[in-house]
Amino acid sequence: EVQLVQSGAEVKKTGESLKISCKGSGYSFANYWIAWVRQMPGKGLEWVGIIYPGKSDPRYSPSFQGRVTISADKSISTAYLQWTSLKASDTAMYFCARQDADWKPLDYWGQGSLVTVSS
Amino acid sequence: QSALTQPASVSGSPGQSISISCTGSSSDVGDYDYVSWFQQHPGKAPKLMIYDVSQRPSGVSYRFSGSKSGNTASLTISGLQAEDEADYYCSSYTSSNTWVFGGGTTVTVL
Repeated sequence: EVQLVQSGAEVKKTGESLKISCKGSGYSFANYWIAWVRQMPGKGLEWVGIIYPGKSDPRYSPSFQGRVTISADKSISTAYLQWTSLKASDTAMYFCARQDADWKPLDYWGQGSLVTVSS
Repeated sequence: QSALTQPASVSGSPGQSISISCTGSSSDVGDYDYVSWFQQHPGKAPKLMIYDVSQRPSGVSYRFSGSKSGNTASLTISGLQAEDEADYYCSSYTSSNTWVFGGGTTVTVL
């Protein structure tokens, strides 16, 4: 069974750093892309970026370029989304999802990681 | 890249058919047949309902169908049921090799 299990909820202060994770199982993790999607409170879905764990060559939405870093460690089947200096506007639910190729659909999703940033 | 344009809300009575539009540009919806639709119930992760404009993943009801004309894609739900009440998002591959989502549509079953 394909599963993507994300790390738990985080409460941080502005300016702090954070790294959340997404662990895949039930498939060959290195051979599928992982995308990150943001959903701010009460708002819609936003595509953050994507990575192919086999090459670890991330690609970002222009809206998120320079604000976050996507990485992956194929040896432990885990992808990451990280911030070096959080802002209150980073408060959101973050989902990871799997793709067979970068033009293929997001077919399996993680349960989401809630990030809350306060001053 | 700008978000795809969806109506904020659509409603229908049980048994009726409804359609949700998703308008993009010649750099995304109009240029690729890589349009997906997702259903999201409150507090849940999105679920893939349609991919490649009109393909249904295994396990998704035949009542859900997709189409595209020019820069606009559409999702149709036929035989509307109470369980279909949710938010729906379209998504398209873009000429920048990225993806873009629509703003989302809330479907209400009257």
